[in-house]
Amino acid sequence: DVKVTQSSRYLVKRTGEKVFLECVQDMDHENMFWYRQDPGLGLRLIYFSYDVKMKEKGDIPEGYSVSREKKERFSLILESASTNQTSMYLCASRELASNNEQFFGPGTRLTVL
Amino acid sequence: AQKITQTQPGMFVQEKEAVTLDCTYDTSDPSYGLFWYKQPSSGEMIFLIYQGSYDQQNATEGRYSLNFQKARKSANLVISASQLGDSAMYFCAMREFMNRDDKIIFGKGTRLHILP
Repeated sequence: DVKVTQSSRYLVKRTGEKVFLECVQDMDHENMFWYRQDPGLGLRLIYFSYDVKMKEKGDIPEGYSVSREKKERFSLILESASTNQTSMYLCASRELASNNEQFFGPGTRLTVL
Repeated sequence: AQKITQTQPGMFVQEKEAVTLDCTYDTSDPSYGLFWYKQPSSGEMIFLIYQGSYDQQNATEGRYSLNFQKARKSANLVISASQLGDSAMYFCAMREFMNRDDKIIFGKGTRLHILP
């Protein structure tokens, strides 16, 4: 079974802190994605990566950066957390050139105080 | 303009009735795929069904079927004989295969409540 894991289910941080959200997948997928989910807005793509050290901006990259040093790991970084980044963060992975679905992690609910 | 539109923010349906969740999409790409995901209150995203733009028949997976009307750019999810466990958030999504970005775009979702 494909497994996508995220480092924390719940996280509470203070405004201005640097925050790392880690995502690991065990199926050798090329593509990895970070979304945030907010009520009434659905899932919005922050960043994605289709190879090691490659990254592409999604629809809402402002205030975020990412790192992909190894194929299985895709990290989302909030350089200086702000209260409007309080949200549910979902990581996903998918095979390159696959018609199949993306596999999602369980999500991290981040609260910035 | 929104690429994926789900016009029903919430729905209430009696148990055992059939449910149709609406989804319309917008693309100029001739080759695309449409997905439906379920998100229960626990938060995980569960893949339900996939329809390719060139598929001749509507996709079916158990109690789930996708009513694909290409000319109308509509991809409604039909759940037959609804169950209490179907209560969840449902997302429609699209992937454009000619798009260099190769990303999946999600709608805003429909929250389905099944009533006993």
